[in-house]
Amino acid sequence: GQNIDQPTEMTATEGAIVQINCTYQTSGFNGLFWYQQHAGEAPTFLSYNVLDGLEEKGRFSSFLSRSKGYSYLLLKELQMKDSASYLCAVLDSNYQLIWGAGTKLIIKP
Amino acid sequence: NAGVTQTPKFRVLKTGQSMTLLCAQDMNHEYMYWYRQDPGMGLRLIHYSVGEGTTAKGEVPDGYNVSRLKKQNFLLGLESAAPSQTSVYFCASSSIGAGNSNQPQHFGDGTRLSIL
Repeated sequence: GQNIDQPTEMTATEGAIVQINCTYQTSGFNGLFWYQQHAGEAPTFLSYNVLDGLEEKGRFSSFLSRSKGYSYLLLKELQMKDSASYLCAVLDSNYQLIWGAGTKLIIKP
Repeated sequence: NAGVTQTPKFRVLKTGQSMTLLCAQDMNHEYMYWYRQDPGMGLRLIHYSVGEGTTAKGEVPDGYNVSRLKKQNFLLGLESAAPSQTSVYFCASSSIGAGNSNQPQHFGDGTRLSIL
């Protein structure tokens, strides 16, 4: 079956750096997305990786290794507003998005 | 800029009742999706549409029906609601579908549905 694993919850300190990992086993691969979802709100798009390597967008970066079935989202200079759930999703061979359960990130002052 | 709009935002139903959730997008997107989100689980695709007049089953279609009579609207129906359908329902849309490189899905704010 298809499976995406992420840690359930992580805690970090304001101003620090945190890395959220995602491992996947899917039938085919056509890209990996990261979304941010604040409590009670809709998911919003953060990043997309289809080739190996690091994509940087301001304070957020996303890394992909297709051979290892692995990605991470790196958040720098953490702010309180970064407290949210971070969802990893893989586009499989049928171009369907398979979603992880999400990682709840708690930022402490 | 409205994006994706879902109505209603909240609803409580009794077992066996029917209802329709409405999704409207103003971005001229071809693809539209209905997901449900339950605690501890990832978003699960119920049904999707690749264009006006088309629909297809997703991962968890049982108990739901959909229609896409107009490009901008995607309706999700529950014919006979069951407590297992208590969930948060999200509609999303994307241009040319998620298969076109990095075109992300845009989500509505969700409908919180409780079935008693």
